[in-house]
Amino acid sequence: EPEVTQTPSHQVTQMGQEVILRCVPISNHLYFYWYRQILGQKVEFLVSFYNNEISEKSEIFDDQFSVERPDGSNFTLKIRSTKLEDSAMYFCASSAGLRSYEQYFGPGTRLTVT
Amino acid sequence: AQSVAQPEDQVNVAEGNPLTVKCTYSVSGNPYLFWYVQYPNRGLQFLLKYITGDNLVKGSYGFEAEFNKSQTSFHLKKPSALVSDSALYFCAVRDPDAYSGAGSYQLTFGKGTKLSVIP
Repeated sequence: EPEVTQTPSHQVTQMGQEVILRCVPISNHLYFYWYRQILGQKVEFLVSFYNNEISEKSEIFDDQFSVERPDGSNFTLKIRSTKLEDSAMYFCASSAGLRSYEQYFGPGTRLTVT
Repeated sequence: AQSVAQPEDQVNVAEGNPLTVKCTYSVSGNPYLFWYVQYPNRGLQFLLKYITGDNLVKGSYGFEAEFNKSQTSFHLKKPSALVSDSALYFCAVRDPDAYSGAGSYQLTFGKGTKLSVIP
């Protein structure tokens, strides 16, 4: 069964460093998402991406964040200058299209900023 | 703004007994509702959804959920719990009236309910 994959599973970085989180969505899916979950808190929407552009973003997704689909299979989330409060589990998700309501999630990348 | 409430942090149930995990929601229009399950060190796994039609929806692993518009609830149920059902369960809602025109639909999640099935 196709699934969303994410790498790395755990990333440790120092405050102020740039990190790139990688995702491979399900191959025939057209819509891509990033969510995050700070320890003990709710899963929160960050951004959605369709047709090579951001279609929706939350107030969390400020100028420090960017997304890219560099090669038709990968979907990346970049944080330019990490802060302690960026420590969280980051989930990538994808969905097939307008009439496919459910989103399929990857296993997550745990980001720890020290 | 849409929101979801899961009033119980933890639900304990004996194996073989029925289980219920509660969820209530708030949206401006008709909701699209989802349940996801998360096992340790795994991602969120889709269980079932309500979009329209029959208020009782059936999903994976014998789970079902009942949409109740008057009570704005979407409780997850299973007639007979298994130890392997022990996991974290998330309810989520999407407000279709928030359609942005680009076909993007963000999910709003509850905080999750930890289900423990006791042998």
